[in-house]
Amino acid sequence: RKEVEQDPGPFNVPEGATVAFNCTYSNSASQSFFWYRQDCRKEPKLLMSVYSSGNEDGRFTAQLNRASQYISLLIRDSKLSDSATYLCVVRGPTGGGNKLTFGTGTQLKVEL
Amino acid sequence: DADVTQTPRNRITKTGKRIMLECSQTKGHDRMYWYRQDPGLGLRLIYYSFDVKDINKGEISDGYSVSRQAQAKFSLSLESAIPNQTALYFCATARRGTDTQYFGPGTRLTVL
Repeated sequence: RKEVEQDPGPFNVPEGATVAFNCTYSNSASQSFFWYRQDCRKEPKLLMSVYSSGNEDGRFTAQLNRASQYISLLIRDSKLSDSATYLCVVRGPTGGGNKLTFGTGTQLKVEL
Repeated sequence: DADVTQTPRNRITKTGKRIMLECSQTKGHDRMYWYRQDPGLGLRLIYYSFDVKDINKGEISDGYSVSRQAQAKFSLSLESAIPNQTALYFCATARRGTDTQYFGPGTRLTVL
């Protein structure tokens, strides 16, 4: 089983749609959780951290369910500029060098 | 100016050649990382360093070596390149005590 698993997509959605991505992780001792965004052939960039209580940043909402080892990202009112690959990222237990484990990414294509 | 730079941005080399990829940062971060990204496999950690002269193996260090002679620079070497080292290589930095990693623009390496 992969440490971090994501549906690769692609998710093709019309502009204005709401879309949700899911991610599961295998290590129950994982400490921190993130969503990164990666545009084609570009470097990954932090989109948002994910907190147990859930958090929102504009049109983006992230949720964490520790019991189910599940992370989600919801994008409302999709824009053409949201087209990218979204990487689910998990930091392992303390003492493991704080290394991040990246999912393979979910591709989103927002269309007119 | 970019905070994390990588040179070269693109490189084509032949099997058996030695090659070095350079990473420089002006962010003043202690921690630096080298990843490779392959289609369908996501980002995988090669080596990381928490300080000058500190070197730690990542998930896939075989066939690679690194050097951290200064806080701002972290170089990755392929002693004898092979075709399955063809990939997109990213350098990243992080401040001690934080999880957010900042990526360079990447180096696209092709080994023929």
